Amino acid sequence: EVQLVESGGGLVQPGGSLRLSCAASGFTFSSYWMSWVRQAPGKGLEWVANMKQDGSEKYYVDSVKGRFTISRDNAKNPLYLQMNSLRAEDTAVYYCARERGSRSLDVWGQGTTVTVSS
Amino acid sequence: EIVLTQSPGTLSLSPGERATLSCRASQSVSSSYLAWYQQKPGQAPRLLIYGASNRATGIPDRFSGSGSGTDFTLTISRLEPEDCAVYYCQHYGSSLFTFGQGTKLEIK
Repeated sequence: EVQLVESGGGLVQPGGSLRLSCAASGFTFSSYWMSWVRQAPGKGLEWVANMKQDGSEKYYVDSVKGRFTISRDNAKNPLYLQMNSLRAEDTAVYYCARERGSRSLDVWGQGTTVTVSS
Repeated sequence: EIVLTQSPGTLSLSPGERATLSCRASQSVSSSYLAWYQQKPGQAPRLLIYGASNRATGIPDRFSGSGSGTDFTLTISRLEPEDCAVYYCQHYGSSLFTFGQGTKLEIK
């Protein structure tokens, strides 16, 4: 079964850091671009970052540039999102997702919740 | 930066009716990179349509996508109670993904 499982969310103070993980199974992880997408409480979807199969290309939404870093370990299959200098507006459910060739997101994890609050 | 505007914000229809959801781009976009998603409460989004008109794996043929340029449509024929959800359009361009704000579909 093709599956993505996120972990690492939690409560963190403003200015703090958190690293999210996404474990992939049931497909060849190293063959796909991967993305992180977030959803603030009661709001819509916002794409956060993505990364090419070999890690040679990474892209970020403007609001997280310089604070978030996406990475991957193709040998062990996880995708990561290192989040530094967290702000209240980063509070959201964070999903990892697999990209298909048409640049749509065809497999999603169940999400992990990040709350930034003092 | 491309902005996707979805309409209506909320749609309330009865089972068996036809739903037409609109997604308008602020400038012409490639239909190859236009997708639609369904999100039910408490669940992750699910890919419905990619490349503007291609159904994803396992999606019933009641769901169809169309459009080009700046105007795209998701049509759900013969609504069923389980179609109650928020629907998002999404575009990829200039190395960035953009989502519309969503249309909430209510089934009476």
